This record gives sequence, structure tokens and C-alpha cells, in this order.
Amino acid sequence: EIQLQESGPGLVKPSQSLSLTCSVTGYTITSGYDWSWIRKFPGNKMEWMGYISYSGSTNYNPSLKSRISITRDTSKNQFFLQLNSVTTEDTATYYCARYIRYGGHFDYWGQGVMVTVSS
Amino acid sequence: DIQMTQSPSLLSASVGDRVTINCKASQNINKYLNWYQQKLGEAPKLLIYNTNNLQTGIPSRFSGSGSGTDYTLTISSLQPEDFGTYFCFQHNSWPYTFGAGTKLELK
Repeated sequence: EIQLQESGPGLVKPSQSLSLTCSVTGYTITSGYDWSWIRKFPGNKMEWMGYISYSGSTNYNPSLKSRISITRDTSKNQFFLQLNSVTTEDTATYYCARYIRYGGHFDYWGQGVMVTVSS
Repeated sequence: DIQMTQSPSLLSASVGDRVTINCKASQNINKYLNWYQQKLGEAPKLLIYNTNNLQTGIPSRFSGSGSGTDYTLTISSLQPEDFGTYFCFQHNSWPYTFGAGTKLELK
């Protein structure tokens, strides 16, 4: 069974960096698909932040392009989100998910991790 | 970015009702429109992909339609397990974007 699990701090101070890990079991992230980060803001709005493909290429939402980095550790079958210079507007629940280009959908998701940006 | 305007934001309905949820895109998205359901504390679940294709395992009371900029999710006969929040998602133009969600609650 494929499972994704987010981990990382639940509280980050303004102007600092937010760093999250997505650990994947049941599938090797270099075998296929796009490994994504999505966030859901208070009030329900959702945003696809970006992804790292199975080949290691990345694609970021232009709204975040100057602040975001998605990387991976293939030996641990993990991928990572780093978001720099956070503000209170980055407070959200962060999900990692697997994206299938055919049909354009996310088929496996983590449970999500709530991150609050506050001093 | 393509803006997805979803309506209504809140929908109160009873078991057995027929309900519809709408998404309007700010430009033509060529039927690249998916629908997700999310329940409290759970990850979103894909219901419909590419406007009208039912995901495996999803009951046939769910259906999708639309073209161009206007899309609809229909639940033909609401069941107790259908209450939750529904999102549309366009994957025609990067960055792909979500609707703001419709909370479907018990009347």
C-alpha cells in the first residue's frame, strides 16, 4: 500500500524558513509521477505549491517561485519542502501528494500537517 | 492564473436530495476539470476526473458535466456519507488551481 506522511515543525516564526518532509512507503519516488506539495489555508482555499518529478525536475507555482524549493533524498524515499521568508499568510495545512499527469489528479495524499506562522 | 469560482460555498441538503455544485473558470479549461471530496481530518478523495469520468470505486450517484468555462458536479441522491467539502480543480494551465470549496451539510 502506498502511503505518504508529512513531518515537520508545527510552529514557525515570521521571516524564518518552513521545512517539511514527506516520507513515502510502498512506491519508489524515482519510478514515476510528480511528487507534490499542496496547502490548504484557513477558510479552505487550496494551493498547489509545486512538485518534483520522478526524474528530479521541479516546477513551482509562480506565486512562490522566489521562496520555494522542493528537493529529495532518493536513498530515503523522501522529498522535502522549504519555504523561505514566511509570513502569517503561510499559515496552512500542508499536504504532500502523488500527482498523475494522465487525468491530472492526485491519487495518494498524506494526512497533512498544520503549520502556524507566529512569533 | 486561472481563477476557479465555485458555488455555492455552503449547501444544506437532506438525504435523498439531488444536489449540484458549480465551478466557473476564468477562461476555457478544455474539460480538464476534476472534483474532490474532503471530510474533516482526511485527505481529499478524487471523485471525477476530466469533467465526467468517474474514478474507480466512486458510486454512480456522482456525475460531472460541463465544457468551456462552466462545470457541474451532481449527486443524484444524497447519502449520509456524502456530507463534507467538495473542491473543483483545473489542470489545463499551470499553475493548476482549485476552487474555494463547497461545504455540503445536513439540513
